[in-house]
Amino acid sequence: DGGITQSPKYLFRKEGQNVTLSCEQNLNHDAMYWYRQDPGQGLRLIYYSQIVNDFQKGDIAEGYSVSREKKESFPLTVTSAQKNPTAFYLCASTDSSGSYNSPLHFGNGTRLTVT
Amino acid sequence: KNEVEQSPQNLTAQEGEFITINCSYSVGISALHWLQQHPGGGIVSLFMLSSGKKKHGRLIATINIQEKHSSLHITASHPRDSAVYICAVRPQGAQKLVFGQGTRLTINP
Repeated sequence: DGGITQSPKYLFRKEGQNVTLSCEQNLNHDAMYWYRQDPGQGLRLIYYSQIVNDFQKGDIAEGYSVSREKKESFPLTVTSAQKNPTAFYLCASTDSSGSYNSPLHFGNGTRLTVT
Repeated sequence: KNEVEQSPQNLTAQEGEFITINCSYSVGISALHWLQQHPGGGIVSLFMLSSGKKKHGRLIATINIQEKHSSLHITASHPRDSAVYICAVRPQGAQKLVFGQGTRLTINP
């Protein structure tokens, strides 16, 4: 079955360390997204990519970086510059470049804890 | 004020009750999504609407574009419907979605 795989499910890091969250999809989707979810808040967009080798900053990109070298992969790096990195991170994809008639597919998320 | 407001924030009901969750938004949109997030964290897309009404099993979603309002209804609710339900809109001309804060639904047996 096609879907989005995020790994790992739980991740623990010390403050000051960079950490990379994996997102892989086998849906042949063009567009991929990274969201951050904090308690009591709606999902906030970190970065998105509409095509291989291209990506754009979302609303809260500071302290994060991404790459899109392959269509199926969109890893997110949480750098030491991110002031409050502890959160639940969700990866999503759609089957065209953000067309309004494309449903979103989500991974199961990675819960990152930085101490 | 958030662009997308959901109500109620929390809802507890007994099994079998008819459930309504509301979503109001303040901008012109090209589509509205209803999503379901289970306690494990994964999110499933339930509906995508640009007009009218959609039905899938016991779930019904409606949208009134003029009033900038959508509702998600669950008939004959069941404890397995317990989850957070999230409304998201795609503003006209935008590539990004704007999310509501979610409604936490608990159905007691």
